[in-house]
Amino acid sequence: EPEVTQTPSHQVTQMGQEVILRCVPISNHLYFYWYRQILGQKVEFLVSFYNNEISEKSEIFDDQFSVERPDGSNFTLKIRSTKLEDSAMYFCASTGTETQYFGPGTRLLVL
Amino acid sequence: GEDVEQSLFLSVREGDSSVINCTYTDSSSTYLYWYKQEPGAGLQLLTYIFSNMDMKQDQRLTVLLNKKDKHLSLRIADTQTGDSAIYFCAESLEQAGTALIFGKGTTLSVSS
Repeated sequence: EPEVTQTPSHQVTQMGQEVILRCVPISNHLYFYWYRQILGQKVEFLVSFYNNEISEKSEIFDDQFSVERPDGSNFTLKIRSTKLEDSAMYFCASTGTETQYFGPGTRLLVL
Repeated sequence: GEDVEQSLFLSVREGDSSVINCTYTDSSSTYLYWYKQEPGAGLQLLTYIFSNMDMKQDQRLTVLLNKKDKHLSLRIADTQTGDSAIYFCAESLEQAGTALIFGKGTTLSVSS
């Protein structure tokens, strides 16, 4: 069964460093998303992406964040200058015409 | 704004039924979902219901929707230890392309 994959599974970084989280959505899906879950809190929507552009973003998704689909398979989330409060689990998801399928997540720890 | 609320914990014995409840605030929600998260894993879609439906059944899972009260429930029949996980309720306005709004999740603990 096709699935969304994410790399790395865990990442530790220093405050102020740039990180890139990678996702490979399900191959025939058209919509891609990033969500995050701070420990003990709700899963929060960050951004959705369709037809090579952002279709919706939350107020969390500020200028420090960017997304890209650099080739036909990868979908990335970049955090330019990480802050302590960016520590969270980051989930990628994709949709064809139906529901969102989620990857296993990347746990980001900012020290 | 939109909000989804769930109780945080539920403990049941193996073989019993589990009922996980959820309330939401956005009356224009079109789709309501249940996701399951096992330790260290991603969010697995269990089932979803369209807002013009009252009930949906899928094997051991029954979803009930009370649109008037904005209340959604997930019933798991004959709960097994493998059902122990966190269950998230979520809502969206459309099926594809729009953000899901999640609850905080209900931790289901099943004892044998």
